[in-house]
Amino acid sequence: NAGVTQTPKFQVLKTGQSMTLQCAQDMNHEYMSWYRQDPGMGLRLIHYSVGAGITDQGEVPNGYNVSRSTTEDFPLRLLSAAPSQTSVYFCASSYRGRYNEQFFGPGTRLTVL
Amino acid sequence: AQSVTQLGSHVSVSEGALVLLRCNYSSSVPPYLFWYVQYPNQGLQLLLKYTSAATLVKGINGFEAEFKKSETSFHLTKPSAHMSDAAEYFCAVSSMDSSYKLIFGSGTRLLVRP
Repeated sequence: NAGVTQTPKFQVLKTGQSMTLQCAQDMNHEYMSWYRQDPGMGLRLIHYSVGAGITDQGEVPNGYNVSRSTTEDFPLRLLSAAPSQTSVYFCASSYRGRYNEQFFGPGTRLTVL
Repeated sequence: AQSVTQLGSHVSVSEGALVLLRCNYSSSVPPYLFWYVQYPNQGLQLLLKYTSAATLVKGINGFEAEFKKSETSFHLTKPSAHMSDAAEYFCAVSSMDSSYKLIFGSGTRLLVRP
């Protein structure tokens, strides 16, 4: 199993550009999510999905879109990048349930100039 | 609302010394609690989790944590630190709502001195 994979590992954007961060998992997990990690703030939930075709907003969704057409993939789209979106982005997946371990990808480090 | 507080953004210990990383939680329902470790430039890896089966939870790499309801704490310990334990550690509580999200503390960076 590859687990949770993310591409790219690093990305530099200019303000106003758009891009998609890719996330895939091969564990047949129903639940997938995107977090952003900023210094001193831990990780904060951007969007999540409890199954194909179902997505919902987390605590910091503004400026991001998601879709979930398959169980395996959960891309995160930045519509018009802003410097405030400079961060490290992590995708995670798990079986549904509050007690289940969430498996994290290696992260994408994004810089917006 | 649920929350997690980690006391100490940085903890420094000598190799072979006791490691104690503090975590306090706030929850109106019995919580599910997690400790994750993040090595430099990597994702998060689960160390251990509390799901109400036993108050003393043993995890990987010799770490353990004790759930104390009266103190609303879930501190992480390891009897003898190793250089390879240097990393950032996050305590998290599972949200009560339908998002299944993890609510993270701000993290504690563990430094191990030779």
